[in-house]
Amino acid sequence: EDKVVQSPLSLVVHEGDTVTLNCSYEVTNFRSLLWYKQEKKAPTFLFMLTSSGIEKKSGRLSSILDKKELFSILNITATQTGDSAVYLCAVVNTGNQFYFGTGTSLTVIP
Amino acid sequence: ETGVTQSPTHLIKTRGQQVTLRCSSQSGHNTVSWYQQALGQGPQFIFQYYREEENGRGNFPPRFSGLQFPNYSSELNVNALELDDSALYLCASSTSRTSGIYEQYFGPGTRLTVT
Repeated sequence: EDKVVQSPLSLVVHEGDTVTLNCSYEVTNFRSLLWYKQEKKAPTFLFMLTSSGIEKKSGRLSSILDKKELFSILNITATQTGDSAVYLCAVVNTGNQFYFGTGTSLTVIP
Repeated sequence: ETGVTQSPTHLIKTRGQQVTLRCSSQSGHNTVSWYQQALGQGPQFIFQYYREEENGRGNFPPRFSGLQFPNYSSELNVNALELDDSALYLCASSTSRTSGIYEQYFGPGTRLTVT
């Protein structure tokens, strides 16, 4: 059965800390892996990763994919209270089916 | 905020009834995907429409059906509602499936409660 597993389920850190969120997957016919941030309702797109070993970076956020070991990590450096959200990982297969993990709930304390 | 809109915002239905949810995609996007998100869970993929045709489907029964219109807006229909159908229903629009770009833009969702 195709699945995406995220860890940890929740995380509480202080402002300024660095966090690493994990996403492992078992999806047949992998096409892409995507990261989203969900604060209230609509998830917002962060990164799409297709190739192994190439880091995507946007400000304090970065992500990398390992297609051999079937996982991805999302790093957030110098965390701020505005980073508090649920971070979702999703994998798309070549049949255009999306598989989401349950998310990691991040809380950043001032 | 994205240009994706959904209606209604909230809906309460009784078990056994039918419901139609609507989504207007962002301008220039020809692909719409629908998701069901239960409380505390990640979104579950229902199906995707590309240029008015179903282009991928998750593990949902046939009572979940959809449509995409020539203007790329979309509807999700659920028949014979069950209590477990209570969830947030999200739609997301994106550009051509052949481009490999899956930068989906999500709408605010419709909260469906089945009693």
